Order: sequence, then C-alpha cells, then structure tokens
Amino acid sequence: GAGVSQSPSNKVTEKGKDVELRCDPISGHTALYWYRQSLGQGLEFLIYFQGNSAPDKSGLPSDRFSAERTGGSVSTLTIQRTQQEDSAVYLCASSQRWGNTGELFFGEGSRLTVL
Amino acid sequence: GQQVMQIPQYQHVQEGEDFTTYCNSSTTLSNIQWYKQRPGGHPVFLIQLVKSGEVKKQKRLTFQFGEAKKNSSLHITATQTTDVGTYFCAGAGGYSTLTFGKGTMLLVSP
Repeated sequence: GAGVSQSPSNKVTEKGKDVELRCDPISGHTALYWYRQSLGQGLEFLIYFQGNSAPDKSGLPSDRFSAERTGGSVSTLTIQRTQQEDSAVYLCASSQRWGNTGELFFGEGSRLTVL
Repeated sequence: GQQVMQIPQYQHVQEGEDFTTYCNSSTTLSNIQWYKQRPGGHPVFLIQLVKSGEVKKQKRLTFQFGEAKKNSSLHITATQTTDVGTYFCAGAGGYSTLTFGKGTMLLVSP
C-alpha cells in the first residue's frame, strides 16, 4: 500500500477482554515496529520484527502482550485480559532497511480505551 | 539500557522567535533521527545524522550531532505557526533498536 495501515483506528473495550490490533506495513518493508504512546507522552518501544522473526521483544510490558508477523507483511499485536493502564495509542512503523538506520514510516495508530 | 533524554519538555514561543530542543544519550549512538508529530497526528521522519559533528539544514531547521555522538540538537530559526508540534529524537547504539526521547512540545503564538 501507499502507507502503513493500522486497524482499528479506535477500539473501546472492557477491562479483561482481549484485543487484536493489526498493522499492514508498506509493501517491501522488511522491518516492522510496534510502539505505544500514552497521552502526552513519548514513544514506548514494544517489539521489532525483521521479516517474520522478532529479534527484539524487550519492550513488551507483560506476558499479556504478544505479537506476530506472517508472510513478512501483516503484523498483529494482541493484548489479553486488558487493563485500564493499557489505554494508549498503539503505533506501528515499518522501515525498508533492517537494523536501526532506516527511516521509520508510521501508521495513524490504533487508539485503545479500556473501560 | 540505553536512555535518550530530551529537553525542554515544552516550549511556548512567539512567532518569529527561535527554538532549540536538545537530546542527550547515556551511551554513544551510531545514529540519531528526528521526527515531528503534529497534534493528533503520527510521527513523521525529518532527518538522520550519522557522522560525528555532523550538521544538516532543512530550510529553517538546523540539526547537529555532537562530536562524541552522545548528543544532538534541533534549532528552528524564526518559528512559524506551522512549526507547532512535538519534536522527538530517536537514537540507537550498535545494533540496538531505536530509543525515542519523550519529545519537546512546541507551541507557537501568532
């Protein structure tokens, strides 16, 4: 696609429910990142994919968070048993270059609200 | 782990005034990137610096990478209302993932 696409753009869920957030990166981009941004805060790194493998998942805050990437393309971030502190904007970014020297192209984000 | 500190957190200027945000790392960086996020938007890449002491300019924006590759700055000359947003630096050392600073929010009054 022309840009990084994320869905849903907004998600309201009840505490304890599971949610899935989807990211469709720019075609041909091998690197994919997930970040989390709370209101007025910086970008908190969650996980990084190179192809389908995740060499760096150090930022996942707990075992309720998991992510996968299939076919070197679409990625899904899953949050199980959501808590109110999970409320944030989840941003996905892709990069043409692997490693840490490539420009990141961000999607519009998925805003998650946990009631 | 690697930390990237950014100051100030917030700055309010009058249109036409200059603005500078500073980024400092606890470790030597292999490169540093700068992003701008408009209110309600997503971060957009501005530039990447790789070399020690590097200076790059984009119109009214000047980016610097320190000699020790542990700090960087973004300077905007004669701010305009279109410069409003949050400016983030993001640094990486070795093969580590990019670490973002908390950003500097710039507000420009006409």
